[in-house]
Amino acid sequence: KAGVTQTPRYLIKTRGQQVTLSCSPISGHRSVSWYQQTPGQGLQFLFEYFSETQRNKGNFPGRFSGRQFSNSRSEMNVSTLELGDSALYLCASSFNRNTGELFFGEGSRLTVL
Amino acid sequence: QKEVEQNSGPLSVPEGAIASLNCTYSDRVSQSFFWYRQYSGKSPELIMSIYSNGDKEDGRFTAQLNKASQYVSLLIRDSQPSDSATYLCAVSRAGNMLTFGGGTRLMVKP
Repeated sequence: KAGVTQTPRYLIKTRGQQVTLSCSPISGHRSVSWYQQTPGQGLQFLFEYFSETQRNKGNFPGRFSGRQFSNSRSEMNVSTLELGDSALYLCASSFNRNTGELFFGEGSRLTVL
Repeated sequence: QKEVEQNSGPLSVPEGAIASLNCTYSDRVSQSFFWYRQYSGKSPELIMSIYSNGDKEDGRFTAQLNKASQYVSLLIRDSQPSDSATYLCAVSRAGNMLTFGGGTRLMVKP
């Protein structure tokens, strides 16, 4: 069974640009969550999608957005990039909501110059 | 005060010993509690979940939960060098929105 697949794995952007990250969950998993990991702040919840609807949102500015498609694949977008957005962005899938039992992808490492 | 607190470590234990990792949380409404392990350069992986007070054992791992004290712990028996990693405590009020602690780095020395 394939795991959670995230693309791209690495990317470099400059301030002011925007970026789109993609996540394919484990087959059969309907919940997709996004987390940001930085050395200073650790792992922080961004948002969760289930059945193409955002179910929960973390404390991040509106520049961070996402969506989920009918096949459960998800994308997140960050607009007007800032230096502080440099981080590892992790996607996690789960069979259902309210489990907390997440399967993480390998992440997309974003560097903002 | 952080919502989920862990000692950052490193916690160093000899091979074969018991490693004890601790976590406190501030949100009394939290319903679900998890331990994730993260090897350097890798993504987190779930090793234990616990939902009610008491102990839950899975192989060499035992999770302990005390909701009254807002305290979660993870015991690793017969620690192996392959257990060396960062252990992340996570709590959830609802859904898959987890709040993670900063992690405890465990080093198991041969």
